[in-house]
Amino acid sequence: DQQVKQNSPSLSVQEGRISILNCDYTNSMFDYFLWYKKYPAEGPTFLISISSIKDKNEDGRFTVFLNKSAKHLSLHIVPSQPGDSAVYFCAAGPRAAGNKLTFGGGTRVLVKP
Amino acid sequence: NAGVMQNPRHLVRRRGQEARLRCSPMKGHSHVYWYRQLPEEGLKFMVYLQKENIIDESGMPKERFSAEFPKEGPSILRIQQVVRGDSAAYFCASSPTAGVDGYTFGSGTRLTVV
Repeated sequence: DQQVKQNSPSLSVQEGRISILNCDYTNSMFDYFLWYKKYPAEGPTFLISISSIKDKNEDGRFTVFLNKSAKHLSLHIVPSQPGDSAVYFCAAGPRAAGNKLTFGGGTRVLVKP
Repeated sequence: NAGVMQNPRHLVRRRGQEARLRCSPMKGHSHVYWYRQLPEEGLKFMVYLQKENIIDESGMPKERFSAEFPKEGPSILRIQQVVRGDSAAYFCASSPTAGVDGYTFGSGTRLTVV
């Protein structure tokens, strides 16, 4: 039972263009959503998050959009840079104390110079 | 300010042996989470611990796996009688408070069972 799904396993984009990563969830208890970036042989690094009371959060080149009615969120990276090449994981959870994160399967992004 | 330290980085065990994975949380962090990543998959929650207490072990297999976070020293994830299916990357995260928005992950331990 995959409660968090990233349907695109990979994405290739030209440097300078926009990267759009998508994520769908099914659990209505999830009220906090995060994106992590992961390089090979390293742990996930926090990128950006959004609470269910918002529909957009922006941090520099990264913007996360949340559509609660569709149970869908997306991460926009603009402009994309070669250093953005990594695997991106969407994660979700109830923000209440002590609860765990449920991760999607990841999207591998390749930014071509 | 050291991050979350996991060791060893790589661990090779023969089938039937025991594997011990260690995680030292960031200074000041008393909440530890263990996740497992199978090849080509996302991370799956295993267990959440605070000092000397297991808070949530709903993701732990019922047999052969155990975890502890003693008053002194690192958190330990222990896998007894390892099988090939235990081969995975095991990640530890720590946070200063309970909740999902303060995680810092370690670099992981890659367990290979031969």
